Amino acid sequence: NAGVTQTPKFQVLKTGQSMTLQCAQDMNHEYMSWYRQDPGMGLRLIHYSVGAGITDQGEVPNGYNVSRSTTEDFPLRLLSAAPSQTSVYFCASSFSLPGQGAQQPQHFGDGTRLSIL
Amino acid sequence: GQQVMQIPQYQHVQEGEDFTTYCNSSTTLSNIQWYKQRPGGHPVFLIQLVKSGEVKKQKRLTFQFGEAKKNSSLHITATQTTDVGTYFCLANTGNQFYFGTGTSLTVIP
Repeated sequence: NAGVTQTPKFQVLKTGQSMTLQCAQDMNHEYMSWYRQDPGMGLRLIHYSVGAGITDQGEVPNGYNVSRSTTEDFPLRLLSAAPSQTSVYFCASSFSLPGQGAQQPQHFGDGTRLSIL
Repeated sequence: GQQVMQIPQYQHVQEGEDFTTYCNSSTTLSNIQWYKQRPGGHPVFLIQLVKSGEVKKQKRLTFQFGEAKKNSSLHITATQTTDVGTYFCLANTGNQFYFGTGTSLTVIP
């Protein structure tokens, strides 16, 4: 059982380049999300999805696009990379959607360390 | 907008000392989860609190959920070097998940 798989693990881009960060999960989770982690800022939500075909913006969506054509995959696209997007990106998935009562844990990938020059 | 504040941001302790991190929300929460992230790693689920005033223990770790369900704490008794990492709360408002800013714990041997 692979869990949440993120690729690539490391990437260096030049300003203005575009790229796609891949995320796949094999747990049949409905909820998937992308976070960026910067020193002292914690994990900030970029985009999330509550199921195939449904996506929505988080706290910091500008400069990023997502799509959810299948339950398993949730790629994150950087349209035109900027140095401010240098960060560690985590994809997470969960069986539970935000709601009342008890929830299932979030499962995280190993992260993608992205540097924009 | 919704904010989840976590304090302190950093904590250095001597091995054997206790450690506490606090998570505070501006709104009432449906539940709260706690995660640990080792240096260079990814967040890993520790526990979930759902009920008002709930207290749960995992060996040396004690988790509490406030009576008003707006705040929570994680207390580690007699820290060990294996406790090093960043501890995050994840607040569920019922509509969205919000991570706290995290507390980075350094344990000095």
